[in-house]
Amino acid sequence: DTEVTQTPKHLVMGMTNKKSLKCEQHMGHRAMYWYKQKAKKPPELMFVYSYEKLSINESVPSRFSPECPNSSLLNLHLHALQPEDSALYLCASSQGGGSNQPQHFGDGTRLSIL
Amino acid sequence: GDSVTQMEGPVTLSEEAFLTINCTYTATGYPSLFWYVQYPGEGLQLLLKATKADDKGSNKGFEATYRKETTSFHLEKGSVQVSDSAVYFCALTLDGGSQGNLIFGKGTKLSVKP
Repeated sequence: DTEVTQTPKHLVMGMTNKKSLKCEQHMGHRAMYWYKQKAKKPPELMFVYSYEKLSINESVPSRFSPECPNSSLLNLHLHALQPEDSALYLCASSQGGGSNQPQHFGDGTRLSIL
Repeated sequence: GDSVTQMEGPVTLSEEAFLTINCTYTATGYPSLFWYVQYPGEGLQLLLKATKADDKGSNKGFEATYRKETTSFHLEKGSVQVSDSAVYFCALTLDGGSQGNLIFGKGTKLSVKP
């Protein structure tokens, strides 16, 4: 069982909808991440939060809006998405700080844009 | 730039065969190295890691040794099982890199036949 929990597991939405993806971890990790993964590709980093502050935004379109309400929770707010945004969205967490701290991934939300 | 190169897949083996998945890296600093595994329909799971030269990571019968002289981190298992069928990603983070930003290889799909 993964220690990073993502909800929902599947999401289908229209291009005009607003929805949110949620991620939760209770490992005391201080860094949290959002990745986008297309089929047969490695994950691509979208955002990094370190100590609840946004530290990396990899030039992600503004239709994706991250939020970190507290050290255990990470949200990704979605609005006016495009069909090419259909993908598996993965959340991860790590202890933060050093580069030798591995990231722990959730099982992802599979998003389909109609 | 910093990068990870994995052998092209897919790799198809019979049960109990020996597995090697090659991984080499290019990095300007002193990376930490990881192997992640992704089973169908799931997120990524950390398989093993090594944080300095000559370290050997091992888990579930899989091993990989951090070879600085050849900039390699090849994954090996002596006897694969059908349940090992998955996509394997080699990845690195850089010493001093931003919050342990993972750089992934393209992934290698392994299929194990009974």
